[in-house]
Amino acid sequence: QFHLQESGPGLVKPSETLSLSCAVSGGSISTTNWWSWLRQSPGKGLEWVGDIYHSGSTIYNPSLKSRVTISVDKSKNHFSLNLNSVTAADTAIYYCARVTWSGISYYFDFWGQGTLVTVSS
Amino acid sequence: SYEVSQPPSVSVSPGQTATITCSGEKLGEKYTSWYQQKPGQSPVLVIYQKNKRPSGIPERFSGSYSGNIVTLTISGTQATDEGAYYCQTWDTTVVFGGGTKLTVL
Repeated sequence: QFHLQESGPGLVKPSETLSLSCAVSGGSISTTNWWSWLRQSPGKGLEWVGDIYHSGSTIYNPSLKSRVTISVDKSKNHFSLNLNSVTAADTAIYYCARVTWSGISYYFDFWGQGTLVTVSS
Repeated sequence: SYEVSQPPSVSVSPGQTATITCSGEKLGEKYTSWYQQKPGQSPVLVIYQKNKRPSGIPERFSGSYSGNIVTLTISGTQATDEGAYYCQTWDTTVVFGGGTKLTVL
């Protein structure tokens, strides 16, 4: 059964870097799928953060691009998110997800359970 | 940047048909997906490529489109269908609607 699991600190101080990892199990990360990070502020809607392909190619939300880095480790079958210079506005549940993308059709078909990250001193 | 909009809330009686819309310029020409999110849970894909259902999603969920509007229809709505529904499309970046809270009264 395909599964995604986020992990990382639940509390990050303002101005520091938020770092999360997503472990992929039940299948290889080296497929035709892309791999994504999304977030959801408490009580709010979904926001896409960015994607990575197993080759290392990335695409980011323009509004976060200057602060985001997504990387992949094929040997460990996981991918990671770094978001620097965080503020309270970055407090959210962070989800990792699998993307099926065929050029014009793009959707998230598997999601992790999500992990809450709070930015506070 | 491209934007789509959804009504904040929709109410329906059990057994009736719920209709949730998502509107955006020429949205019917784009591939749109729908996600269901119950409180405290991750989103679940219920419709992709406008009107396809993933394995395990009940037949009462369907998608349609016309012009600037795409629609998620839930026929014979059940109490378990209550939650938030998000439309999503792609236009140079990922675009989500603000979400619609479905209440089954």
